[in-house]
Amino acid sequence: AQTVTQSQPEMSVQEAETVTLSCTYDTSESDYYLFWYKQPPSRQMILVIRQEAYKQQNATENRFSVNFQKAAKSFSLKISDSQLGDAAMYFCAYRTPSGGGADGLTFGKGTHLIIQP
Amino acid sequence: GAGVSQSPSNKVTEKGKDVELRCDPISGHTALYWYRQSLGQGLEFLIYFQGNSAPDKSGLPSDRFSAERTGGSVSTLTIQRTQQEDSAVYLCASSLIGGAYEQYFGPGTRLTVT
Repeated sequence: AQTVTQSQPEMSVQEAETVTLSCTYDTSESDYYLFWYKQPPSRQMILVIRQEAYKQQNATENRFSVNFQKAAKSFSLKISDSQLGDAAMYFCAYRTPSGGGADGLTFGKGTHLIIQP
Repeated sequence: GAGVSQSPSNKVTEKGKDVELRCDPISGHTALYWYRQSLGQGLEFLIYFQGNSAPDKSGLPSDRFSAERTGGSVSTLTIQRTQQEDSAVYLCASSLIGGAYEQYFGPGTRLTVT
C-alpha cells in the first residue's frame, strides 16, 4: 500500500518570505500523480499544484513550485512571497492512474502553515 | 459554474441514530468520491462511484456505512447506529474519469455524535 508522510506538523513563515513544506511517499508503482492541496478554515480543499511522475520538469503555478525527486520519493512544495491568504493546512496526496481512479487519493497528515505579518 | 455542494453543513446526532449525508457533484463529473477527515486518522478514502457502476466498498470502515448514487449524480452516505468514533468531517469530491483529473471537493459535513 502507498503511504504519504509529512514530517512537519506546523510551519511558520514571515509574510513575503519563502517556505518549503516537505512530503515523502512510498510506492512500488512507476507511474503515479502527486498533488498538494490547501485546506483553509472553511474546510474547502483546493488543489494547489499537480505533478505527473513521468515528467522530469518540476511543476510551477505562480508562487507555488515543487521539487520532485522521484528516486528519493520526495515531493516538496515551495511557496514564494508568502501572503496572509496562504495560511492553511497543506496536504500532500498521491494517486495511481490505474483503475480509472478507483483508488482515490492517499493523503499525508498535513502541515499547518502559519503566516506571520 | 457551481462547485460540489454538500448538505447539511453540520450535523449533531445522538449515539445510535442513523444519519444521511448528501453530495451534489459538479455537472458532468462521472466520478464521485467520499472521504472522512478526523483528528486521529487524518483523511481517509471511503468509497468511489464511476457513473452508474457498482461502487468499490472496500474502504468503508464498517458495515454500518453505506452509500448510493442515484442517476449517476447525487450521492448519499448513510451511517446507521452512529457511534462517537464516527464524529468527523465527511468530504465529497467529484472529477472526470481518470487518475490524472483533478478532484474537486465540497465544503464537507461536520458530523458530531453525542
